[in-house]
Amino acid sequence: QKEVEQNSGPLSVPEGAIASLNCTYSDRGSQSFFWYRQYSGKSPELIMSIYSNGDKEDGRFTAQLNKASQYVSLLIRDSQPSDSATYLCAVTRGSQGNLIFGKGTKLSVKP
Amino acid sequence: SQTIHQWPATLVQPVGSPLSLECTVEGTSNPNLYWYRQAAGRGLQLLFYSVGIGQISSEVPQNLSASRPQDRQFILSSKKLLLSDSGFYLCAWSRQVNTGELFFGEGSRLTVL
Repeated sequence: QKEVEQNSGPLSVPEGAIASLNCTYSDRGSQSFFWYRQYSGKSPELIMSIYSNGDKEDGRFTAQLNKASQYVSLLIRDSQPSDSATYLCAVTRGSQGNLIFGKGTKLSVKP
Repeated sequence: SQTIHQWPATLVQPVGSPLSLECTVEGTSNPNLYWYRQAAGRGLQLLFYSVGIGQISSEVPQNLSASRPQDRQFILSSKKLLLSDSGFYLCAWSRQVNTGELFFGEGSRLTVL
């Protein structure tokens, strides 16, 4: 089983809609969870972190964590064309291990 | 504020040639430093990380090596490149070791022919 799994997409949503990105992980000992955004040809940038079950909101972004289901998601409200990018889910291995990245989901927001 | 730079941005190298990628961090002291590789169709793979000068941890056995000659300098090297070394190489730093809050450099795109 892959350590961090994401649907590769592309996920296409119209401008103004909610984009929902999902991620599952295999290590039950993981404690920290992150979403990075990577524009084509550029390096990743951290946009959200979440450490406890539930929701965490930051502007138009909401991260959701369910450790029992080993599931992390990212919601983007009022999606904009500038949100078009690949979103990488990342999980720490074990309680304090190195960061493991998924392959990413490509999001396309159509005007 | 902290900044991270890596170079060169792009390079095309023949199989069997050497490699040297350099990364420097400004605006912070004693950063934790990382080298990642992103190959086509694959996720980000951690290659090396360093918690201090001369301290290198390797995550994946391969023909690459890393060195940290100064506090804010991290170098990725190879004596003989393989075709499979092609990819997007990313240097990153963090305030704490093995934390998920990484700050990446601009990346170096390597094509081995």
